Amino acid sequence: DQQVKQNSPSLSVQEGRISILNCDYTNSMFDYFLWYKKYPAEGPTFLISISSIKDKNEDGRFTVFLNKSAKHLSLHIVPSQPGDSAVYFCAASGFSGSARQLTFGSGTQLTVLP
Amino acid sequence: IAGITQAPTSQILAAGRRMTLRCTQDMRHNAMYWYRQDLGLGLRLIHYSNTAGTTGKGEVPDGYSVSRANTDDFPLTLASAVPSQTSVYFCASSDSPGVKPGGYTFGSGTRLTVV
Repeated sequence: DQQVKQNSPSLSVQEGRISILNCDYTNSMFDYFLWYKKYPAEGPTFLISISSIKDKNEDGRFTVFLNKSAKHLSLHIVPSQPGDSAVYFCAASGFSGSARQLTFGSGTQLTVLP
Repeated sequence: IAGITQAPTSQILAAGRRMTLRCTQDMRHNAMYWYRQDLGLGLRLIHYSNTAGTTGKGEVPDGYSVSRANTDDFPLTLASAVPSQTSVYFCASSDSPGVKPGGYTFGSGTRLTVV
């Protein structure tokens, strides 16, 4: 059973508009959440993160929102640019035994249309 | 350039053969990880190592083994490859077994096809 879920495998958005990528989690012990971006033939790269003590974190065009009661987070990209076209992975951090590990969602392919 | 080097970048392997995927990092990170990426399933943890000399099992460890003889290297071995191990494999590292705001650093991946 997936503990981190991204229910939309793909999303298309017009350039300049807002992109909203969603992620749900089931494990209430997760206390840190991250978004990674992945281009074809490359490894994922860190984009933005949020601690569970916050409900919003902003970095330039990227904002992550966390709703702990709903166990839901979202990534907003405003304005969207064609270079943002990539697969976006949501990840959640929690302790497994004595160390933290990341659990990833299945990813959402974002396509920004010029 | 500091980072993670994975080799080979791609490989076609006959079923039943043994294969070692190589991973080397030059950031002196303590923790290293192996993930596989499959369509619709995202990134799933195979094995991890919190520090040199220790390893642990992740979500999907069956059919794979790892070793961590030193800080820099974390090879992943398929003892007898099967077609279900066809995937893209990513090695990652972090500077502690915890997660810092920057998270993990990933390599560029190895695309493995088992036929």
